[in-house]
Amino acid sequence: GAVVSQHPSRVICKSGTSVKIECRSLDFQATTMFWYRQFPKQSLMLMATSNEGSKATYEQGVEKDKFLINHASLTLSTLTVTSAHPEDSSFYICSARGWLAGGADTQYFGPGTRLTVL
Amino acid sequence: DAKTTQPNSMESNEEEPVHLPCNHSTISGTDYIHWYRQLPSQGPEYVIHGLTSNVNNRMASLAIAEDRKSSTLILHRATLRDAAVYYCTDSRTGANNLFFGTGTRLTVIP
Repeated sequence: GAVVSQHPSRVICKSGTSVKIECRSLDFQATTMFWYRQFPKQSLMLMATSNEGSKATYEQGVEKDKFLINHASLTLSTLTVTSAHPEDSSFYICSARGWLAGGADTQYFGPGTRLTVL
Repeated sequence: DAKTTQPNSMESNEEEPVHLPCNHSTISGTDYIHWYRQLPSQGPEYVIHGLTSNVNNRMASLAIAEDRKSSTLILHRATLRDAAVYYCTDSRTGANNLFFGTGTRLTVIP
């Protein structure tokens, strides 16, 4: 259980175009989902927290008008990179908050999306 | 923000136990400790979590210091498939706001 999928797994686009990445919790409902970015050989950096039915909360330094997040249902969140530029090339990973046996919660991560902007 | 520190890298021989340390300098009494690992070009994978007591599951064991300022992830018999970057985290608000440090890159030597 607790599977999170992402689509697409890899995308190459031209500079100036927009790219949408989907994150789905396949076997559980997630009121909260998260978006991370990871550059080569670096750690994960939290970009934003997405709550179903409300506006996302962005971390300091992340442009909300550039990285549009929509969490329209309990199983789907989308990240749209608008007017992408080469510096936006990165590994984008989503996660969904779920509950473990015993009551503690954790985050279940998707497989990631590799974005390359030419 | 919660802050953890880990060694940048560790090596282990295959089939031997591995102890991965983590310092939790800002942990508070109600924060759970989570460990994740990440294989190349994949999302992180949940490994184990705990609050105060030591924990065991099919993947690993977690030893938590009495003052909770440190924890140790124990892989009882390292295999080549355990080669990954291991991250420890703790959070002020459950699994919200998990901030990942630099992690420990584990190399398993055949």
